[in-house]
Amino acid sequence: DGGITQSPKYLFRKEGQNVTLSCEQNLNHDAMYWYRQDPGQGLRLIYYSQIVNDFQKGDIAEGYSVSREKKESFPLTVTSAQKNPTAFYLCASSLGDRADFNQPQHFGDGTRLSIL
Amino acid sequence: AQSVTQLGSHVSVSEGALVLLRCNYSSSVPPYLFWYVQYPNQGLQLLLKYTSAATLVKGINGFEAEFKKSETSFHLTKPSAHMSDAAEYFCAVNAMDSNYQLIWGAGTKLII
Repeated sequence: DGGITQSPKYLFRKEGQNVTLSCEQNLNHDAMYWYRQDPGQGLRLIYYSQIVNDFQKGDIAEGYSVSREKKESFPLTVTSAQKNPTAFYLCASSLGDRADFNQPQHFGDGTRLSIL
Repeated sequence: AQSVTQLGSHVSVSEGALVLLRCNYSSSVPPYLFWYVQYPNQGLQLLLKYTSAATLVKGINGFEAEFKKSETSFHLTKPSAHMSDAAEYFCAVNAMDSNYQLIWGAGTKLII
């Protein structure tokens, strides 16, 4: 079955440490997204990518970095510059065609990041 | 700028009662609208989407939503709530003038 796989499910970060969250999709989607979810705040967009080797900042990109070297992979690095990284992180993908505004986003099961 | 407002961060209903979750949007162009459901510690799952083909949209798990342009609303309903419907529900809008990014509501937690 096609889908999005996020790993690990739980992750712990020490102070001053960078950590990388994995996101892989086999849906053959062009567009991929990273969201941060905090209680009562809905989803906030961190980064998105519409094509390989290209990505754009979302609303809360500071302290995060991404890469898109392969169509199926969009890893997110939470750097030590992100002072409040404790949250639930969701990766999503969509067909991404600019003409297909009605295409929904498909989500992974998330990674919960906590500070040690 | 586009925005989505979900009225009520928590909605409580009895099993068997009508479920009504409210969503209002603002958009200067015709929107595409979505409802998603999230169970604890899981990702979001698409419930239904409005794409202008019909104003009443039927989704999974017995949910439906009606697009009302005059009220800029897309409320989600289910005639009879079940214990398994307890989850958080998110409304989202995708409009051409938002660079086709989804604009998300803050979510409504449904308590049965």
